[in-house]
Amino acid sequence: QVQLVESGGGVVQPGRSLRLSCAASGFTFSSFGMHWVRQAPGKGLESVTFMSYDGANKYYADSVKGRFTISRDTSTNTLFLQMNSLRAEDTAVYYCARRQPMDVWGKGTTVTVSS
Amino acid sequence: DIQMTQSPSTLSASVGDRVTITCRASQSINSWLAWYQQKPGKAPKLLIYDASSLQSGVPSRFSGSGSGTEFTLTISKLQPDDFATYYCQQYNSYQWTFGQGTKVEIK
Repeated sequence: QVQLVESGGGVVQPGRSLRLSCAASGFTFSSFGMHWVRQAPGKGLESVTFMSYDGANKYYADSVKGRFTISRDTSTNTLFLQMNSLRAEDTAVYYCARRQPMDVWGKGTTVTVSS
Repeated sequence: DIQMTQSPSTLSASVGDRVTITCRASQSINSWLAWYQQKPGKAPKLLIYDASSLQSGVPSRFSGSGSGTEFTLTISKLQPDDFATYYCQQYNSYQWTFGQGTKVEIK
C-alpha cells in the first residue's frame, strides 16, 4: 500500500547537523512533489520545504532558508532533509507528505535540538 | 505570506451535534484550501481539498465550503471518532500555510 516512513531523527546539539530520510513505497515516487512539514511540541503545523516531482523546483520556509536542503533519490524512492546549523526552535516532529494537497503522510520522526 | 486564521480555537460539542469551523485567509486563495484532521500522536489526515472536495474514504458527514478568503468545515453529526484537532491549509502560493488549529473537545 501507499506508505511513507521517516527516519533519522534524534537528539542533537545546537549548531550541529542531522539528515532525515523518508522512504516511499506503493506509488510512483518520481511522479509526485514531496513536502517536509514539522510540528513543534504542543504547536501547530508548519510547512518546511517542498520539492517538485522532477526536482526542478524547491521551496523553503523563511525560518529554514539557507540551513535546510531538500533532495530526493528516485533510484531508492527516498526523500531527504539535510538540516544544518540546528537551533532549539527546530525541535519538532518532522513529517514527509506527498503532493499538494498533502494526501499521504508518514508517521513522523522526532528531532530534539538541545545542549 | 498568506496568513490563515481559524475560529474558534477550541470547540466543545456533544456526539450528534452539528459543528462548524471557520478559516479566513489574509488574501484571496480562490479555492486552494484543504482541511486536515489530527489526533494526538498521529499524523494529520486529509479530509477536504479544493475547499469542498471530499477526500476518498472520508465519511460524508464532513463537508467544506467557501472561496476567496472565507471557508468552513462542517461535521453534520459529530461522532466519537471526530474528537480531534482540525487544520486548514492554503496552497494558493508556494509558501503553504496552515491555520493554528481548532480542537474539538467532548462537552
